Amino acid sequence: DAGVIQSPRHEVTEMGQEVTLRCKPISGHNSLFWYRQTMMRGLELLIYFNNNVPIDDSGMPEDRFSAKMPNASFSTLKIQPSEPRDSAVYFCASRSSYSPLHFGNGTRLTVT
Amino acid sequence: TQLLEQSPQFLSIQEGENLTVYCNSSSVFSSLQWYRQEPGEGPVLLVTVVTGGEVKKLKRLTFQFGDARKDSSLHITAAQPGDTGLYLCAGEKRGGADGLTFGKGTHLIIQP
Repeated sequence: DAGVIQSPRHEVTEMGQEVTLRCKPISGHNSLFWYRQTMMRGLELLIYFNNNVPIDDSGMPEDRFSAKMPNASFSTLKIQPSEPRDSAVYFCASRSSYSPLHFGNGTRLTVT
Repeated sequence: TQLLEQSPQFLSIQEGENLTVYCNSSSVFSSLQWYRQEPGEGPVLLVTVVTGGEVKKLKRLTFQFGDARKDSSLHITAAQPGDTGLYLCAGEKRGGADGLTFGKGTHLIIQP
């Protein structure tokens, strides 16, 4: 099992640019979560999907953030326009019903 | 307001010593999970506790869930350098339907 796959591993971009983070969940998992991790705030849940449908996006900080899950094997988190305060490590995680959460290795985003 | 408070935030001890880290909340959780995260990687699940008062052991690690299901502790016996990492607790409010709420974690360093 390849685990949850995220790309890119690192992203450096300038303020105002669009950033797209990608995630491939574990095959068979029906729930997908996007988290953001910073030293100040720890791991924060941004949005999660069940069966490709967004269930709770109350953690998305602003309208600049959007997430999609067009099918069971792919999800994107987009930031447009990006700002320096968006710099963080973004994690994708997946699970099946009542099974453990599996995290990817994250995308480290730096916005200058 | 942080739903889950972890203490201490940072802990550096010598190899062979014992330690306890804590995870406290004013909320009741249906289950509580402990994760360990190493640099450049996503959190990895160590254990899930479900029943109030439950104690689980994983080699030299002992996990306890409070009777009221609001708090938990992790005790490590005879710590080793390989135990170094970020230890995160995470609470689940309902039976797998919602995303986990994470504490900020305890950064643990075991010095040889």
